[in-house]
Amino acid sequence: SQTIHQWPATLVQPVGSPLSLECTVEGTSNPNLYWYRQAAGRGLQLLFYSVGIGQISSEVPQNLSASRPQDRQFILSSKKLLLSDSGFYLCAWRQGFGNQPQHFGDGTRLSIL
Amino acid sequence: QQQVKQSPQSLIVQKGGISIINCAYENTAFDYFPWYQQFPGKGPALLIAIRPDVSEKKEGRFTISFNKSAKQFSLHIMDSQPGDSATYFCAASPTYSGAGSYQLTFGKGTKLSVIP
Repeated sequence: SQTIHQWPATLVQPVGSPLSLECTVEGTSNPNLYWYRQAAGRGLQLLFYSVGIGQISSEVPQNLSASRPQDRQFILSSKKLLLSDSGFYLCAWRQGFGNQPQHFGDGTRLSIL
Repeated sequence: QQQVKQSPQSLIVQKGGISIINCAYENTAFDYFPWYQQFPGKGPALLIAIRPDVSEKKEGRFTISFNKSAKQFSLHIMDSQPGDSATYFCAASPTYSGAGSYQLTFGKGTKLSVIP
C-alpha cells in the first residue's frame, strides 16, 4: 500500500532563516505531488505541484520554492523565512493518471519567531 | 468559476443527530467530488467521493447527495457521534485538460462539533 511521510512534524524558526521541508511517498511510481499551506482555521491553499521529476508548477508567487529531485521526493524550501510563512504545510500525492483522489501527509506545523 | 462554496462554516449537532454540510460550484467541467475529514494537527483524510453519474453514494453513516442540475452536493452524517467532531472539506476537480490538471479546488471547510 502507498504511504506518505512528511517531516519534521513541528518546526520553530527565526525570521530570515532558511527552510527545508521534505515529503516522500512510498508504494507508487510517478505520482503527482502537491504542497499546500493551511492557515489556522482556514482552507487549503495550493502552493506547488509536480507531475514529474524536475517539473514544478507554482500556483502562488511567494517566498517559497519547491523541488522534486527524485520521483517520490518533494521538497519545500525558502532562503529567508518571513513571519507570514507561518502555517501548517501539507504534502499530498495522487496517482499520475485518471481523476483520482489526493492523499495527504500529516503536515508540518511551522512557527516563525 | 473555480470556486467551491461550502456552508455552514461551523456546525453543532447533538449526538445521534444528522449533520449536513453543503457545497456549490460553478465550473461545469468538475466531474469528481471528494470529501475530506481533518482532525486537529493531522492532514485531511479522504472520507468519501462521488462522480456525477450517480446522485447518491453511501458509505456507512456517511452519504453524499449530488444534484448536477443545481451544481450542488452535500455530505450527510447520520447518527453523528462525538468522534465525528472534525473539520470537513468538500472539493472538486475537472476533467483532464492538460498537464497539471485534476487540481482539486477546496471549499473553506466546516468545523463540526458533536456534543454528547
